[in-house]
Amino acid sequence: DVKVTQSSRYLVKRTGEKVFLECVQDMDHENMFWYRQDPGLGLRLIYFSYDVKMKEKGDIPEGYSVSREKKERFSLILESASTNQTSMYLCASSYPTGGNQPQHFGDGTRLSIL
Amino acid sequence: AQSVTQLGSHVSVSEGALVLLRCNYSSSVPPYLFWYVQYPNQGLQLLLKYTSAATLVKGINGFEAEFKKSETSFHLTKPSAHMSDAAEYFCAVSDKQTGANNLFFGTGTRLTVIP
Repeated sequence: DVKVTQSSRYLVKRTGEKVFLECVQDMDHENMFWYRQDPGLGLRLIYFSYDVKMKEKGDIPEGYSVSREKKERFSLILESASTNQTSMYLCASSYPTGGNQPQHFGDGTRLSIL
Repeated sequence: AQSVTQLGSHVSVSEGALVLLRCNYSSSVPPYLFWYVQYPNQGLQLLLKYTSAATLVKGINGFEAEFKKSETSFHLTKPSAHMSDAAEYFCAVSDKQTGANNLFFGTGTRLTVIP
């Protein structure tokens, strides 16, 4: 079974802090994704990566950055956390086969910014 | 851009009743389609996917979905609801035309099962 592991299930940080959310997958997937999930809005794509050291902006990249130094690890960075970034963050990974492969998700990190 | 619409943000059914969760996509070229389930405080788990083989797709936990090109729909059904089916369900689509690996998600439907 594919395992996508997010480093924290719950995280509380303060406004202005730099926040790191870590994600590791064990299936040698090329593709990795970061989403945020908010009630009534579904999942919105923040950033994605199709290869090591490669990153692309998703639909809502403002206030975020990412890092992918190794194939199995994809980090989401909140440069200066703000209260409107309080949300559930989900990491996912998949094979790069033309869109017909499902994404596999971690259990999520529920982040609160005070 | 691809998009999906899930009609009904909340659906309630009695235990043992039919479950029907609706999903419509917007694309002139039939995309790849997926249904995911999310239990409380967990990530998303794949229920089933449509990748242009059979139009009736069977998934886990007794769920199935039928792809209807004429209606641009991919509704999820289960003949008999169980209490353990209470969760949030997401329909998602990817773009077959471009082959891009991104998924576009609907806003979700929360299913409540009444004992």
